Order: sequence, then C-alpha cells, then structure tokens
Amino acid sequence: SSELTQDPAVSVSLGQTVRITCQGDILRNFYASWFQQKTGQAPLLVIFVKDNRPSGIPGRFSGSNSGDTASLTITGAQAEDEADYYCCSRDSSGNHYVFGSGTKVTVL
Amino acid sequence: VQLVESGGGLVQPGGSVRLSCAASGFTFSTYWMTWVRQAPGKGLEWVANIKQDGSEKYYVDSVKGRFTISRDNAGNSLFLQMNNLRLDDTAVYYCAREWAASYFDYWGRGTLVTVSS
Repeated sequence: SSELTQDPAVSVSLGQTVRITCQGDILRNFYASWFQQKTGQAPLLVIFVKDNRPSGIPGRFSGSNSGDTASLTITGAQAEDEADYYCCSRDSSGNHYVFGSGTKVTVL
Repeated sequence: VQLVESGGGLVQPGGSVRLSCAASGFTFSTYWMTWVRQAPGKGLEWVANIKQDGSEKYYVDSVKGRFTISRDNAGNSLFLQMNNLRLDDTAVYYCAREWAASYFDYWGRGTLVTVSS
C-alpha cells in the first residue's frame, strides 16, 4: 500500500512538546518529508530526508524514522506553529509521490 | 527562488484550461518540477511531475489521459494542460521544485481552478 496515515488533529499547550506521526509501509523504503501549511498559505517544507531542516526553520522542529513510521516533533510549541502538517514520500512505484492526510495542530 | 502560477479560473465541466508556472532565481533546466493540488478544505494531492529535459513524466491515476505536464526550459516555465475537466478537479494548483527526487523545497502560491456549470 502507498497510503500514509496521520492523526486528523492534535493539540499542545504553549511551550510543550507535540509529536505528529505518519504511518505507511512505503516509509520502510523512502524517507518522509514534512510540510507546514497555515490557513490561506502555500505549504512550507520544514523537514526533509528524515531529520534535516531547511534554512530558516526553527530548531524546535525535528524529524525521526522508525520502521514504517515517520514522526515530526515540535519541542516547545509556539503560537505560530498552529497549522496543518503533511507528510510526503515516494509511493511504491518509486515514480510518484503520496501525501498523508494531514494533521491539524492546535496550540492552546 | 520564486515560482508564480497563473491561468486558473472558472471552467465548465468537460472544458480545458492551461496552467503556467513562471520560475526564477534558480537554474530551472536542472530540476524536476511538480504540480500539487488541494481541493477546498481538503489535503494535498500530488498531480504530476516532469524530468529536467521533459523526457519523463508521471501522473496520478485520476488525471492520466486528461492532464499533460510540460516545460519550456528556455522560458523558465512549467505548464499543466488540463482537459475534460471534472467537478472534482476543483482545487488550488501549486507548482513546486523537486530536490534530489525526494521532496519539494520551494512552492508557488497557487492558482485556483474552479470547475462548475
């Protein structure tokens, strides 16, 4: 299967830590990337190739992989981190991409 | 790096539209490029991508035979020709740059295509 499963929504208190997971068999073969999307904006790459951050992405964002699950962790969540988060990976063919269903993060 | 999409609008079911993406700030001809769409209130869906020289193109099953991705390296532009449009093609269409065949590092702001009678 080339599906990527994410929890629909999670909430985190300001300054606390939240982990968002992405599960799929294809993650045993391909790394996940992670995108943040705020309302009305284009997606923004926050993590690529397991645990790399593009320039300008705060260090509170980190990624990890274990078996068929990729995780995005926000350590010390800030109000501006409230957004939808999507994982993405190659599919089983290796030629296409597939996105997870997205996780809405609410910062309380 | 800048990616600017254009060409969206209202189109009737069965109609056609051609999206464009103007690229600047990088050597366009050396990157794979991708289209991703997002239906209103829904998640992201990868649509199609194209190799640097246009020799390889891939599509999500739902658009195969209806959409055609192409590029003009001399003009630093990416295109998506969308034919036989359906109601469920209504979405914001984003162009994005691919890096290392693994992820999308830069995105445009998107252009909205609305299919409605």
